Amino acid sequence: RKEVEQDPGPFNVPEGATVAFNCTYSNSASQSFFWYRQDCRKEPKLLMSVYSSGNEDGRFTAQLNRASQYISLLIRDSKLSDSATYLCVVNPGSQGNLIFGKGTKLSVKP
Amino acid sequence: GAVVSQHPSWVICKSGTSVKIECRSLDFQATTMFWYRQFPKQSLMLMATSNEGSKATYEQGVEKDKFLINHASLTLSTLTVTSAHPEDSSFYICSAAGPAKPQHFGDGTRLSIL
Repeated sequence: RKEVEQDPGPFNVPEGATVAFNCTYSNSASQSFFWYRQDCRKEPKLLMSVYSSGNEDGRFTAQLNRASQYISLLIRDSKLSDSATYLCVVNPGSQGNLIFGKGTKLSVKP
Repeated sequence: GAVVSQHPSWVICKSGTSVKIECRSLDFQATTMFWYRQFPKQSLMLMATSNEGSKATYEQGVEKDKFLINHASLTLSTLTVTSAHPEDSSFYICSAAGPAKPQHFGDGTRLSIL
């Protein structure tokens, strides 16, 4: 089983749509969780951290279910500029290294 | 916000050449730097972790003699790809972390070996 698994997509949605991405991780001892955004041929940029209590940042909502080892990202009212690859990222322990999923590609169409 | 500078951003060179990539943290002391590699349509894969002043820790399957990492100061780490071959062509990204500082990524280096 891969350490971090995501549906690669692509998700093709119209502007204004709500879209949800899911991610599962294999290491139950993982300590912290993130969603990163990566534009084509660019470095990943932190979108938001993910907490068990759930957290929201504008149109973006992230959820963590530790029991199911499952992470989600919800994007409401999609914009054209949201088109990118969304990476589910897990920090498995104290060493600080990050484990990346392959990413889910989102394409928002006018 | 924290800035990590990576240089060069694009390298094209002949097979057998050694290539050095620099990663600098511009406004904080990076006690730990990470080097990642990303092949097309693949996830970023950690290659090695380096702590300032000590030897890098390499991930399984990464040849330490081929990918030389130096982290001699709190603001600079270098990755040297020795005798690069076409299969080493990839997108190399560094990230830096410091006390109470989460990882910040460099812009990445696209390496193409002909």
